[in-house]
Amino acid sequence: DVKVTQSSRYLVKRTGEKVFLECVQDMDHENMFWYRQDPGLGLRLIYFSYDVKMKEKGDIPEGYSVSREKKERFSLILESASTNQTSMYLCASSRPWTLHSNQPQHFGDGTRLSIL
Amino acid sequence: AQRVTQPEKLLSVFKGAPVELKCNYSYSGSPELFWYVQYSRQRLQLLLRHISRESIKGFTADLNKGETSFHLKKPFAQEEDSAMYYCALSPNTGNQFYFGTGTSLTVIP
Repeated sequence: DVKVTQSSRYLVKRTGEKVFLECVQDMDHENMFWYRQDPGLGLRLIYFSYDVKMKEKGDIPEGYSVSREKKERFSLILESASTNQTSMYLCASSRPWTLHSNQPQHFGDGTRLSIL
Repeated sequence: AQRVTQPEKLLSVFKGAPVELKCNYSYSGSPELFWYVQYSRQRLQLLLRHISRESIKGFTADLNKGETSFHLKKPFAQEEDSAMYYCALSPNTGNQFYFGTGTSLTVIP
């Protein structure tokens, strides 16, 4: 069974801090994703990565950056945290797209981040 | 542009009643459609995908390309179906997914 592990379930930080959210997957998946989940807005893609050291912006990348130094690990970085970044953050991984079908995503438990 | 629309934020049905969660999409070409479910205090997980054409936990979903819809249906709702449901679209050109805003289903005993 695919295991996607996010380092923290709950995190409280202060405005202006640099925040790191870590995600590790154990299925050798090429693709990894970071979303934020907000009531009424659903899941919005922040960044995704389809290979080591590769990254693509999603729909809401502003204020975030990512790092993928190893295949199994994908980090989300809030350069200078702000209160509007208080949210639930979900990490996901998947096998790559093929001509025949796309592969479903496997999600972690989420990190509920509060910025005070 | 909103690619996936779930018009109902909240949906309540009685146990044993039929349930339909609506999903409409906007995308040219032939995307793949998925339904994900998140039960209380659990992680988001795949419920079903249109290419599988299977029934999971009594749920089915048919892709209607003419109406660009992928509604999720179950003939007899159960209390354990209460959850948040997300419809998702993946283009046939790459790895990205687009999620709807979700529908919170409550099955009333």
